[in-house]
Amino acid sequence: DIQMTQSPSSLSASVGDRVIISCRAGQNISNYLNWYQQMPGKAPKVLVYAASSLHTGAPSRFSGSGSGTDFSLTINSLQPEDFATYYCQQSYRNPRTFGQGTKLEIK
Amino acid sequence: QVHLVQSGAEVKKPGSSVKVSCKDSGGTFNTHVVSWVRQAPGHGLEWMGGIIPMFGSPNYAQKFQGRVSISADESSSTAYLELSSLRSEDTAVYYCARELHGFWDYWGQGTLVTVSS
Repeated sequence: DIQMTQSPSSLSASVGDRVIISCRAGQNISNYLNWYQQMPGKAPKVLVYAASSLHTGAPSRFSGSGSGTDFSLTINSLQPEDFATYYCQQSYRNPRTFGQGTKLEIK
Repeated sequence: QVHLVQSGAEVKKPGSSVKVSCKDSGGTFNTHVVSWVRQAPGHGLEWMGGIIPMFGSPNYAQKFQGRVSISADESSSTAYLELSSLRSEDTAVYYCARELHGFWDYWGQGTLVTVSS
């Protein structure tokens, strides 16, 4: 299985801040990397797919980058509704695997 | 318009089985992979397997091989997840999700399965 490791596991930030969440794959996955946002008690929502493509409806303050083994999700100018848990997920090979999640909290 | 609606919460005894359904009220998912992802309380997301309803051949995560069965009924645009030999560690919210180009763009609302004696 391809191991996905996110950092940090949790993060405190303020409205208006810029934050970066990192995700490392255990092997080269090219650009087969997706990012999801999950609010408490809700299903995840895709933000970025194929490492850097913004999904329809995702705000433009979200962006993704990286390829191979190292990826990042950047959120510019944090908004109150962005405080949630974020997951990376590889779609290179089955079994599909997720990072452990990054919980973004209000400072 | 895709809209995945899952069956309701279940409480099961250890050793029993559960079957969760996922209906696409828009009737469009027969040519897409429908996956099942679970989330134990306070934990992360875990892929269990998937199926293309039109073709009917499921893929499973090895962790669940022998205990899981994923099926689909094309005529009703409904996918099913059945998990047997339930144990307390299977207590989780189970989600179905439609895959598009390698990512999941539509998700069901989730079904809480509680395994308790």
